[in-house]
Amino acid sequence: GAGVSQSPSNKVTEKGKDVELRCDPISGHTALYWYRQSLGQGLEFLIYFQGNSAPDKSGLPSDRFSAERTGGSVSTLTIQRTQQEDSAVYLCASSSVRRSPLHFGNGTRLTVT
Amino acid sequence: TQLLEQSPQFLSIQEGENLTVYCNSSSVFSSLQWYRQEPGEGPVLLVTVVTGGEVKKLKRLTFQFGDARKDSSLHITAAQPGDTGLYLCAAGGSNAGNMLTFGGGTRLMVKP
Repeated sequence: GAGVSQSPSNKVTEKGKDVELRCDPISGHTALYWYRQSLGQGLEFLIYFQGNSAPDKSGLPSDRFSAERTGGSVSTLTIQRTQQEDSAVYLCASSSVRRSPLHFGNGTRLTVT
Repeated sequence: TQLLEQSPQFLSIQEGENLTVYCNSSSVFSSLQWYRQEPGEGPVLLVTVVTGGEVKKLKRLTFQFGDARKDSSLHITAAQPGDTGLYLCAAGGSNAGNMLTFGGGTRLMVKP
């Protein structure tokens, strides 16, 4: 596909479980971003990758959140010991060069029960 | 603390009406982007403005970047039901690295 792909599209998990969210960026895009969006709200920055390195992790809300990117392509966002306040839509975006417009996936809707 | 404040938060209008939404900040930005998001989808870029005072038009949508590059507005003429969605502004300052900061959004509903 030509766009950013995220999986799963929906995830329901029990409080305390770990979850892993996946993002496949547009081929050739070197920059990758993770954002979180609570119901009907704006976007909260989580982390940014340039290639495989993450020069900006400032938005990760706690040490339960981590992310990695391998081969300059696929990225995974891991949330350990999920809490109910982690419930949100997690959006991934990629861009071709620094600060060029972002191309978003459709997000993963995470519900922690 | 949100660097970008959008107003109004919600707007419900009838088809054919005009409207303006605002994006304001106390910070200066090197560029500002507007996105529209529909339910179940990610935001989609509408426009990027980079020069203070710049005006860009996209069919019935007119975007303006403030002279001081601290604020922006989006004006929609003769709104259509298809304009319904969440409108988000996003900006990155000269020292912000690569992080785009998003406003809280304006949720627009256009009734037929």
